[in-house]
Amino acid sequence: NAGVMQNPRHLVRRRGQEARLRCSPMKGHSHVYWYRQLPEEGLKFMVYLQKENIIDESGMPKERFSAEFPKEGPSILRIQQVVRGDSAAYFCASSPGGFSYEQYFGPGTRLTVT
Amino acid sequence: GQQLNQSPQSMFIQEGEDVSMNCTSSSIFNTWLWYKQDPGEGPVLLIALYKAGELTSNGRLTAQFGITRKDSFLNISASIPSDVGIYFCAGPIYNQGGKLIFGQGTELSVKP
Repeated sequence: NAGVMQNPRHLVRRRGQEARLRCSPMKGHSHVYWYRQLPEEGLKFMVYLQKENIIDESGMPKERFSAEFPKEGPSILRIQQVVRGDSAAYFCASSPGGFSYEQYFGPGTRLTVT
Repeated sequence: GQQLNQSPQSMFIQEGEDVSMNCTSSSIFNTWLWYKQDPGEGPVLLIALYKAGELTSNGRLTAQFGITRKDSFLNISASIPSDVGIYFCAGPIYNQGGKLIFGQGTELSVKP
């Protein structure tokens, strides 16, 4: 009964490189959310996806960030040309949808940009 | 926009003591969620509340959905060292799908 899985757990990138973060939701969950957490802060919503659809990307920076949740495979959060300010913990959460607002989080990917 | 304010920001207590923290908003919420985050890990859902006035327990944890729907409370009884962590309240933003807004967190330290 696996929970939400994220990989890698830690990612180090040099400025200008691309970062790819993966998330596999809980079995039976079709709704995926990505959040970012800066040190000493709460989580901030980035994007909400269902299979093959972006439902709400109002929390995503307009440039360099993109997300997808293909029909097969994990959800991917992609950050192109990373900058130092992108260093943060990125969490994925999944939900069964419907009337449930309960979201279950993965362990996160800690991105460090050097 | 909607905001959640948690207090206190941090607490230092002795093992065995009871703990109380709260979360307030200027807007109405229809659902309140309480999470705990350990260092280096993702938030873990502790309790979900769906109805104004609702009181729900999970072991030594009890949470209440405020009558005004603008606040929620979390109590931990007889604290133990493994209660250490950051506790977050969260709620879905009205009419914007399921995306959650989080409070800033209450950091709990427990002295054995």
